[in-house]
Amino acid sequence: QKEVEQNSGPLSVPEGAIASLNCTYSDRGSQSFFWYRQYSGKSPELIMSIYSNGDKEDGRFTAQLNKASQYVSLLIRDSQPSDSATYLCAALNNNAGNMLTFGGGTRLMVKP
Amino acid sequence: EPEVTQTPSHQVTQMGQEVILRCVPISNHLYFYWYRQILGQKVEFLVSFYNNEISEKSEIFDDQFSVERPDGSNFTLKIRSTKLEDSAMYFCASSEARGRYQETQYFGPGTRLLVL
Repeated sequence: QKEVEQNSGPLSVPEGAIASLNCTYSDRGSQSFFWYRQYSGKSPELIMSIYSNGDKEDGRFTAQLNKASQYVSLLIRDSQPSDSATYLCAALNNNAGNMLTFGGGTRLMVKP
Repeated sequence: EPEVTQTPSHQVTQMGQEVILRCVPISNHLYFYWYRQILGQKVEFLVSFYNNEISEKSEIFDDQFSVERPDGSNFTLKIRSTKLEDSAMYFCASSEARGRYQETQYFGPGTRLLVL
């Protein structure tokens, strides 16, 4: 069974702090990883993708991938109240019809 | 910016009725997907579709489900005989292609289906 696991939270951080979100995956056939943000009742919105081991930065967001440890993380710097949402980690297997396997999400609360 | 659109936004139906959920993927995208999310649960893969045929389907996607690309723009999900447990948010997604940097999936706003 291919699984993506996340701590459900809530993760509460003060405004301006760094939020750290983590994810582990079980399918070693997964080649690509994505972070989506989901507001309540809305659809997943892409934040970042990462394909190679190491860090990838995009504005206030940094994704980290460690394939040996099967671990993906997302750092959000200078957290804003508008970042309060559920963050979904997803793993993609190209050999399975591009199927995305999602984690259950971590709920982030940024307090002003 | 191009986006995936879905209709209707909400659908209420009686158990045993057929429903068709519609999606218009991003115009230059070649891969299409349906996912569902039961309230409070994970987003779950249903099916992927490429070149007018199913590429992959999950265990959820049983004989009650079918997908179709009836014309050059629409992509539909049909549930033949709805059950109470089909109540969920259904998301359509599309991606440009396979392969790194082209496989990112963009999601539509969803159709909330309620089966009574």
